[in-house]
Order: sequence, then structure tokens, then C-alpha cells
Amino acid sequence: QVHLVESGGGVVQPGESLRLSCAASGFTFTNYAMHWVRQAPGKGLEWVAFIRYDGTNEYYVDSVKGRFTISRDNSKNTVFLQMNSLRADDTAVYYCAKDGAEYGDYGEYFDHWGQGTLVTVSS
Amino acid sequence: DIVMTQSPDSLAVSLGERATINCKSSQSVLSRANNKNCLAWYQQKPGQPPKLLIYWASTRESGVPDRFSGSGSGTDFTLTISSLEAEDVAVYYCQEYYSAPASAFGQGTKLEIK
Repeated sequence: QVHLVESGGGVVQPGESLRLSCAASGFTFTNYAMHWVRQAPGKGLEWVAFIRYDGTNEYYVDSVKGRFTISRDNSKNTVFLQMNSLRADDTAVYYCAKDGAEYGDYGEYFDHWGQGTLVTVSS
Repeated sequence: DIVMTQSPDSLAVSLGERATINCKSSQSVLSRANNKNCLAWYQQKPGQPPKLLIYWASTRESGVPDRFSGSGSGTDFTLTISSLEAEDVAVYYCQEYYSAPASAFGQGTKLEIK
């Protein structure tokens, strides 16, 4: 049974940093790309970042390029999102999501999601 | 960038009746690599993460009730719930992954009981 558990959310001031983690279990982590998707309060879903199954490629939505970094530790079945220079419009629930394609190069649909972790950026 | 537009924004349907949600992409999401439409549907209930219902426009995810079906091709897609049940109250999102990894979601459609 696939299980994704996010942690690391909290309340920070604008300009500060936060590191999110997502611990994965129940599948062969090293074979799947992983994503971060966020949802601002009362709003829709926004894809944020992607990392290839072997960690060799990363992609970001334009609004976070240069500020966020996705990474993974395949020895610990964990994916991370380092968020720097946080802004008020980064306030959201951040979900990690497993890609549906084994050994996918660019990602497809998201077949499993974590429960999410709330990031609030406020002065 | 591909823009996904869902209609309607909200929908109220009686129990046992059919619910239909539409999703239109600003360009075709038909993959030339495998001749499949890169379109997924998700269900999100209050306080829960999204749940995958349909991928490749019409393939039902394992465990999803068969009252849920997806159809369409190119730029126009439909999610149909053939006979609405109370547990289907949720917000539904379409997602294109033609431009993956930078995929785009529709704005969501809120489904309620009439």
C-alpha cells in the first residue's frame, strides 16, 4: 500500500526558508518520479516541482524557479522541497505526489498523494 | 502554456441522476508518441488530498467505481458520473500532462446534491 507522509510545514515570515520532506513507502521509490503540488487556501491545484526517478532532472513552475529546490534521497525513500525567499503567495498546502509512470522521464498523472503540509508565509 | 478550463464551476445534481463535467484544453493533448490523450481527472473531498479517478482520458484507476467514466479527445473532455451517490460530493479537477512535467490543472468543479 502506497503511503506518502509530508512534514516540515509551518508559519514563517516573508523572506525566510523552510524545508519540506515527504517519506514514501509501499512502492519501489527508486523507480518513480515524484512531484510537489500546492493548493492555496480555498483555491485550486498548482503543480510546483518534479524530480526524475534517479534525481537527474528537475523542473519547476516559473513562479518558484530560483527559490525552490527539489531533491531526493533514494536510500531513505524521501523527497524534499527546499523553499527559500518565501513570499505571501507561497502560502498553501503542499502535497507530494507519486508519478504514475515507472521510469518516466517527464512525468504523467499523479496516482498517489500525501495528506499535505501547510505552509503559511505571513508577517 | 496549456490552459485548462472546466465547466461548469459548480453543479447540483439529484441523487441517482447523471452528473457531467467538461474540461477544455487550449491546445490538443493527444500524444503523438502513443496516440493517447494526456488527460486525468481527480476527486477532492473536503479536508482530503486529491484522488486519481481517470487517466489517459478514459482509463479508470483501480478501485474507482464504474459509475465514473471519462471520454473525449484532442481538446474536449468529459467526466461523467452515471448515477450520483452522496459520497460523490467533492471538487473535481482535470489535469493535462501533455506538457509534463509542467502540467496544468483546470480550476475545479464543485459537485453538490440538489
